[in-house]
Amino acid sequence: GENVEQHPSTLSVQEGDSAVIKCTYSDSASNYFPWYKQELGKRPQLIIDIRSNVGEKKDQRIAVTLNKTAKHFSLHITETQPEDSAVYFCAASKNTNAGKSTFGDGTTLTVKP
Amino acid sequence: DVKVTQSSRYLVKRTGEKVFLECVQDMDHENMFWYRQDPGLGLRLIYFSYDVKMKEKGDIPEGYSVSREKKERFSLILESASTNQTSMYLCASSSRGAGLHGANVLTFGAGSRLTVL
Repeated sequence: GENVEQHPSTLSVQEGDSAVIKCTYSDSASNYFPWYKQELGKRPQLIIDIRSNVGEKKDQRIAVTLNKTAKHFSLHITETQPEDSAVYFCAASKNTNAGKSTFGDGTTLTVKP
Repeated sequence: DVKVTQSSRYLVKRTGEKVFLECVQDMDHENMFWYRQDPGLGLRLIYFSYDVKMKEKGDIPEGYSVSREKKERFSLILESASTNQTSMYLCASSSRGAGLHGANVLTFGAGSRLTVL
């Protein structure tokens, strides 16, 4: 089955700095790669996703890049703010098996004011 | 505006008890999932369902079963709860239509924190 590895497990940055979280996946058939943000005590929510037919996607201060050859994708957050502090999960899925997602172990991002 | 509702936010059960966790979604989604969340282990898939009365094992199905009698409802059952099943349980749903915009996007419930004593 699919295996997703996520690094780092914790990340601390100063407000205004950039943060990068990296994930690798094992199943070359995976074609959908979402990122979920989970604030303390809340449910995970989708913040950005990318499908395998594109290499990069950007939404304001967040961007995701995908390298299908190397089977890795990354989340980039620029100009970090304290409200970016949360746990971030990457995931991978494909069109079979109800599109079930395999998640990374999560990255706890702390943005220090 | 709540779209995926988990009936119990906090439960405390004793070892050996039968536990039911209920999840209801109002988005007419075909796919429903049960994940377990433990610190440092991410979200691990227990079971999923792609249609009424259909179910598939996820990565960690041992000790669990599920029921989907209606499209909007997906129940997780612990036949005999054990202390190692103390965890946060997250229900999620998604629409069918792989390849279409929005397909495979998960909408999560608020979670059910289960403590087994």
